[in-house]
Amino acid sequence: NAGVTQTPKFQVLKTGQSMTLQCAQDMNHNSMYWYRQDPGMGLRLIYYSASEGTTDKGEVPNGYNVSRLNKREFSLRLESAAPSQTSVYFCASSEQGALYEQYFGPGTRLTVT
Amino acid sequence: DQQVKQNSPSLSVQEGRISILNCDYTNSMFDYFLWYKKYPAEGPTFLISISSIKDKNEDGRFTVFLNKSAKHLSLHIVPSQPGDSAVYFCAARDSGAGSYQLTFGKGTKLSVIP
Repeated sequence: NAGVTQTPKFQVLKTGQSMTLQCAQDMNHNSMYWYRQDPGMGLRLIYYSASEGTTDKGEVPNGYNVSRLNKREFSLRLESAAPSQTSVYFCASSEQGALYEQYFGPGTRLTVT
Repeated sequence: DQQVKQNSPSLSVQEGRISILNCDYTNSMFDYFLWYKKYPAEGPTFLISISSIKDKNEDGRFTVFLNKSAKHLSLHIVPSQPGDSAVYFCAARDSGAGSYQLTFGKGTKLSVIP
């Protein structure tokens, strides 16, 4: 039981490059989330998926797209990376909604130069 | 405008003593509050939560107190242990914004000194 896994752990991109961050959970959770954490800041929600087949914008969605591939997997795509997207990205999952404990992955540290 | 504020970026406590971490909020629509703990290079882990209909919730060494009139909550850790050294985030759910979004504070780094 791995919980929430994220790949890659680290990534360096040049401005304008694209990439997809992968996330998978094996807890049969319905809801999944993508957050970013910047130095000295709390976590900010980028996108979430309440259940398989649905996605919604969070607090800071600009510059990102997401895909809920199936119940287990939720990917985050940067189409044209910008230095402002340098951050640590966390994926999380929960049974259903924010009243349930969210389980977080270990994070992806992304640097855009 | 920060809706969840953790005004102390850091806190140092002796092992065995009580640690008190504070959190203030401004949004009266928040109805559920959570505390997460985060070690370096790891994702946050859930610690304890409290519904707005309660004023206290305990789980072992961890107790969360909620003062709705003051829009203030606190996390008490008794006794503090070196393994409690981590960054603690307060988070809140806005019942008006839908049930999936949490707003996080900036975190308080707790150092427990042996």
